[in-house]
Amino acid sequence: DIQMTQSPSSLSASVGDRVTITCRASQGINNYLAWYQQKPGKVPNLLIYAASTLQSGVPSRFSGSGSGTDFTLTISSLQPEDVATYYCQKYNSAPPWTFGQGTKVEIK
Amino acid sequence: EVQLLESGGGLVQPGVSLRLSCAASGFTFTTYAMTWVRQAPGKGLEWVSTISGSGGSTYYAASVKGRFIISRDNSKNTLYLQMNGLRAEDTAVYYCAKDGYCSSTTCYYYYAMDVWGQGTTVTVSS
Repeated sequence: DIQMTQSPSSLSASVGDRVTITCRASQGINNYLAWYQQKPGKVPNLLIYAASTLQSGVPSRFSGSGSGTDFTLTISSLQPEDVATYYCQKYNSAPPWTFGQGTKVEIK
Repeated sequence: EVQLLESGGGLVQPGVSLRLSCAASGFTFTTYAMTWVRQAPGKGLEWVSTISGSGGSTYYAASVKGRFIISRDNSKNTLYLQMNGLRAEDTAVYYCAKDGYCSSTTCYYYYAMDVWGQGTTVTVSS
């Protein structure tokens, strides 16, 4: 099965900082990569699908890039409401799906 | 409004069975694959199982294969997860999620899991 490795596992940044999270697949997955945000005690929420397409209603400070095996989630200007754990997920053409281990984002 | 509402969780002893349900509304249920994802306390997300819109194709994580059965009743707009032989390591919040769009012959997973339920908690302990 394809493994997904996220880095870093956690980060602390100041409000207004640019934040970057990476996700690496053990094999190429084209652009079948999604990013989810899970705020403390809440349900996961889809931010980005197909590696770079912003889900409806998601603030434009979030962006995704990459293809093949290397992907990036960027928050252009970190806001207090962005405190959450972020997960990447590969979804290819058919299951099984795999999530990254998560990146916890905190405010410095 | 698209909604998913899970039910059926609880505290059970190891080895017993439990059936989770996920009631869907606000979309054409039969045309979407559905997925169960779980999250153990303090841990990350783990994909559990996916079923196609017709129910004809099912997929399982290795950790639950042979013990869990995913199914759906399209006449009731409801997804199920039958969990047999429960273990302590199955303790988690279980989420159902709306997944790929399915035609009569295949499913297309381009849009990822765009709607999630609120989750139901399963605790396996003696």
